[in-house]
Amino acid sequence: GNSVTQMEGPVTLSEEAFLTINCTYTATGYPSLFWYVQYPGEGLQLLLKATKADDKGSNKGFEATYRKETTSFHLEKGSVQVSDSAVYFCALVTGANNLFFGTGTRLTVIP
Amino acid sequence: EAGVVQSPRYKIIEKKQPVAFWCNPISGHNTLYWYLQNLGQGPELLIRYENEEAVDDSQLPKDRFSAERLKGVDSTLKIQPAELGDSAVYLCASSLAWDGEQYFGPGTRLTVT
Repeated sequence: GNSVTQMEGPVTLSEEAFLTINCTYTATGYPSLFWYVQYPGEGLQLLLKATKADDKGSNKGFEATYRKETTSFHLEKGSVQVSDSAVYFCALVTGANNLFFGTGTRLTVIP
Repeated sequence: EAGVVQSPRYKIIEKKQPVAFWCNPISGHNTLYWYLQNLGQGPELLIRYENEEAVDDSQLPKDRFSAERLKGVDSTLKIQPAELGDSAVYLCASSLAWDGEQYFGPGTRLTVT
């Protein structure tokens, strides 16, 4: 079946620190992979995506590389800001466009 | 362009009462999704519509949950009767086509007491 495993949070970092949130997946076929972000009081927003092996998705300083050999899609950012505080969800989609989400990782960035 | 609109944003009801949630997708989006998000978990698909047809409702608990999208635009999700375990956030999303990017609404937070 399809599933996503995310590193458990919460994660607390100081401003300008390096961020890594781990994500691994199990899927039938060749899924597309996503990171969604949920800011306080707002809906889920697509942060970045990758549709095939070795693709790198990037947006707002965040990036993640689709690693088929390790079935991973880790999220990274070189220097986090207070405004990055949110809950981050790793997800995959199969051929039917049904999204499967991880449990989410809450990030808090302190000044 | 307006995003996905959901109402109400918050709802508190007593167990055994009925409740309904409403979703207005982005204009022109043919595919509509309802997700359930339990506390501390990621969203899980309940039902997916292509226009007015429910093409995937395999995860919808049909004994108490129902949904409709009569004119292929707005959708309503209903629970009758509600149970304590239904307390969660109910998310609506839409996409232009069946394989398109999904855009999410802010959700309705339901508390059943």
